Amino acid sequence: QVQLQESGPRLVKPSETLSLTCTVSGFSIRSGHYWGWIRQSPGRGLEWIASMYHSGSTHYNPSLQSRVTILVDTPKNQVSLKLTSVTAADTAVYFCARDTAGVRGLDVWGKGTTVIVSA
Amino acid sequence: EIVMTQSPGTLSVSPGETATVSCRASQSISRNLAWYQQKPGQAPRLLIYGASTRATGIPARFSGSGSGTEFTLTINSLQSEDFAVYFCHQYNNWSYTFGQGTKLEIK
Repeated sequence: QVQLQESGPRLVKPSETLSLTCTVSGFSIRSGHYWGWIRQSPGRGLEWIASMYHSGSTHYNPSLQSRVTILVDTPKNQVSLKLTSVTAADTAVYFCARDTAGVRGLDVWGKGTTVIVSA
Repeated sequence: EIVMTQSPGTLSVSPGETATVSCRASQSISRNLAWYQQKPGQAPRLLIYGASTRATGIPARFSGSGSGTEFTLTINSLQSEDFAVYFCHQYNNWSYTFGQGTKLEIK
């Protein structure tokens, strides 16, 4: 079955760049669907960050767009996220998910990875 | 931004009874709404999409209804494994938003 696994540093310093990778197994990214990132924190709840199709179509949360880059690496079957100039407000659990883009919502999620922004 | 407002924040129900969670959108989202269940330390799990269609493997005791701005998740004959947090999520346009969550606890 489709599985997603997030990976990346647990601790990031303020003003630096947060970089995460989502490895997809059981499904080829090239086969279709968007692939997205969502984060969750006690203060902000669930917050959608961005989604990308393998062909390059990309959509960003307007509130984060200036700091976010999402990329799909089809040979590696991975989706990456970069968030620049982080602050403590970016501390959260970050999830990747398969985004069916208006068909079935976010139908498969990774387990999530905790990122703490602290000096 | 479409604001999703869930109620109640916490719901106390006895096993075997029925739980009802509401979600209101700040503007019409047609039927582009999903419901998720989340347990501590786990990712959200898709329960319902298209406002009323159960996702694969979801028991029939879970049902969704509504359209436009008002939506409801109903869980009949509550089982012990149903006590969790439930979120609604609108995907009507490319600026997805979520409700703040409803914690379903054992009464």
